[in-house]
Amino acid sequence: QVQLVQSGAEVKKPGASMNVSCKASGYTFTSCYIHWVRQAPGQGLEWMGIINPIGGSTSYAQKLQGRVTMTRDTSTSTVYMELSSLKSEDTAVYYCARGPNYYESSGYRKPNFDYWGQGTLVTVSS
Amino acid sequence: QSALTQPPSASGSPGQPVTISCTGTSSDVGGYNYVSWYQQHPGKAPKLMIYEVTKRPSGVPDRFSGSKSGNTASLTVSGLQAEDEADYYCSSYAGSNNVVFGGGTKLTVL
Repeated sequence: QVQLVQSGAEVKKPGASMNVSCKASGYTFTSCYIHWVRQAPGQGLEWMGIINPIGGSTSYAQKLQGRVTMTRDTSTSTVYMELSSLKSEDTAVYYCARGPNYYESSGYRKPNFDYWGQGTLVTVSS
Repeated sequence: QSALTQPPSASGSPGQPVTISCTGTSSDVGGYNYVSWYQQHPGKAPKLMIYEVTKRPSGVPDRFSGSKSGNTASLTVSGLQAEDEADYYCSSYAGSNNVVFGGGTKLTVL
């Protein structure tokens, strides 16, 4: 069965960086886009970006440009999301989610996230 | 990109229908047939309920349906059940490789 398993909770100080991993299993890792979505406490969902596991190309939300980096390791079927220069407003649960098949027409445009990781709580506090 | 606009809350009695709206612009909801809806129970990850405006993933009850008119998409639950009480979020492709979510709607089953 398809699973996305994320790394554990983190506590970071303002100005530091965070790195969350998302290990995929149960399907061909390079066949589907992976997205990152975050949710601040008591707030709604916020899209962060997308990575193409085949070539590693990425696209990020404008709000996070310059602070977020998404990478992948095809040998371990793992996607990583790094967010730098952390602020208290970055305190949130971070989710990875599987998008459509790479070979699907306009797949990168479709916010069809059919499997989600369990979420990783990152707390930014001095 | 600005978040899509959803009503903060909605409610209905068991067995009754309820519709949640999601309003965007011609640059997102109105410009593409790439609108999805997610259900989220407290402390859980979101679950895909509707994708590409009207399509329902395998396993999602057929009482859930989606539609779109102009810049507004809608999620309808045709016969509310207690387990439908949750937060619901819409999302849409917004051009330039971006995705935008709605602010969420808390659905209460009375």
